[in-house]
Amino acid sequence: AQRVTQPEKLLSVFKGAPVELKCNYSYSGSPELFWYVQYSRQRLQLLLRHISRESIKGFTADLNKGETSFHLKKPFAQEEDSAMYYCALKGSSNTGKLIFGQGTTLQVKP
Amino acid sequence: KAGVTQTPRYLIKTRGQQVTLSCSPISGHRSVSWYQQTPGQGLQFLFEYFSETQRNKGNFPGRFSGRQFSNSRSEMNVSTLELGDSALYLCASSLESSGGPVQFFGPGTRLTVL
Repeated sequence: AQRVTQPEKLLSVFKGAPVELKCNYSYSGSPELFWYVQYSRQRLQLLLRHISRESIKGFTADLNKGETSFHLKKPFAQEEDSAMYYCALKGSSNTGKLIFGQGTTLQVKP
Repeated sequence: KAGVTQTPRYLIKTRGQQVTLSCSPISGHRSVSWYQQTPGQGLQFLFEYFSETQRNKGNFPGRFSGRQFSNSRSEMNVSTLELGDSALYLCASSLESSGGPVQFFGPGTRLTVL
């Protein structure tokens, strides 16, 4: 079964601390993995995708096929990073269907 | 380019009624997907349309249906509404790219069933 698991509902850190939002997936083939972010009163938007291997707003994520994980990391959290973060999986390249995790609320305290 | 737009933004209905939600994708996007977002179940995929054809369907009852028009605009319909259908319904459009479609989300329609 295709599944995305984000074990933490809430992650609270202080400004300047490192952040790691965990994401594990279950998929038998070669998935595409994404991180989406939803800031307060804004729409859901793409943060990054594993295929592009880029850093956005200081965030990076590496696909670890052995551990079936796609954790999101940032070395120094900023208050403006406070938001809801969703990990998502897309199984087939010929579809837009996304399977989302339950989401993790990141709270960065001053 | 204008983003994905959804109308109406808010709806209140009673049990047993039906409802139609509308989504206008980003210009040039031919794929439209619908998701249901609830506090308990999170974001769940409803269906996807591409070039007026349903390309994928999630695990929702037949009361949930959709369609796409030749201009890529999409509608979803929920018949015989139940209290549990109260949710934020998100529409996303995507542009086919070399790495596969990337979804752009609308602001959602908040449906409340009384």
